[in-house]
Amino acid sequence: QKEVEQNSGPLSVPEGAIASLNCTYSDRGSQSFFWYRQYSGKSPELIMFIYSNGDKEDGRFTAQLNKASQYVSLLIRDSQPSDSATYLCAVTNTGNQFYFGTGTSLTVIP
Amino acid sequence: GAVVSQHPSRVICKSGTSVKIECRSLDFQATTMFWYRQFPKQSLMLMATSNEGSKATYEQGVEKDKFLINHASLTLSTLTVTSAHPEDSSFYICSARPGTSRNIQYFGAGTRLSVL
Repeated sequence: QKEVEQNSGPLSVPEGAIASLNCTYSDRGSQSFFWYRQYSGKSPELIMFIYSNGDKEDGRFTAQLNKASQYVSLLIRDSQPSDSATYLCAVTNTGNQFYFGTGTSLTVIP
Repeated sequence: GAVVSQHPSRVICKSGTSVKIECRSLDFQATTMFWYRQFPKQSLMLMATSNEGSKATYEQGVEKDKFLINHASLTLSTLTVTSAHPEDSSFYICSARPGTSRNIQYFGAGTRLSVL
């Protein structure tokens, strides 16, 4: 069983719609959860981080964490073509080792 | 925000040569730095974790004599690909974790290595 699992996609949404990206993890001791965006040929860029159960909003992005169900999600509201990228979910317990999902490819169609 | 500088961004070399990649945290002290490799259309693969002043911890299957990692200071880690071969061609990315952060790691821009 992989430590972090994501639907590889591709996920396609029309411009202006809400994109929903999901991630599950296996280590119940995980404490910190991250979403990174990676454009093709570029390195990952931190989008959101969340530590507590519930929702965390930052602009058009909302991260949702449910530790009991071991999942973390990312919602992108009013999706734009520039949001088209691969989104990586990352999880860590102590910060000494991070587990990345394989990424979900998102395409926002104009 | 935290900035991690990685240099060079692109290198092309002949088979058998060694290539050094530098990773610097510009505005924070990085207690831990990570080195990843990524092949096209694949996910990040952690190669090793380095802590300042101690030996790097390599992931299973990564040759430590092939990929030399030095974390000489709290702001600098280097990865040397020794005797590079075409199969070492890949996108190498470093990241750094500030000692004061809650486990956030920030990525460098990556180095695209092409071995001829």
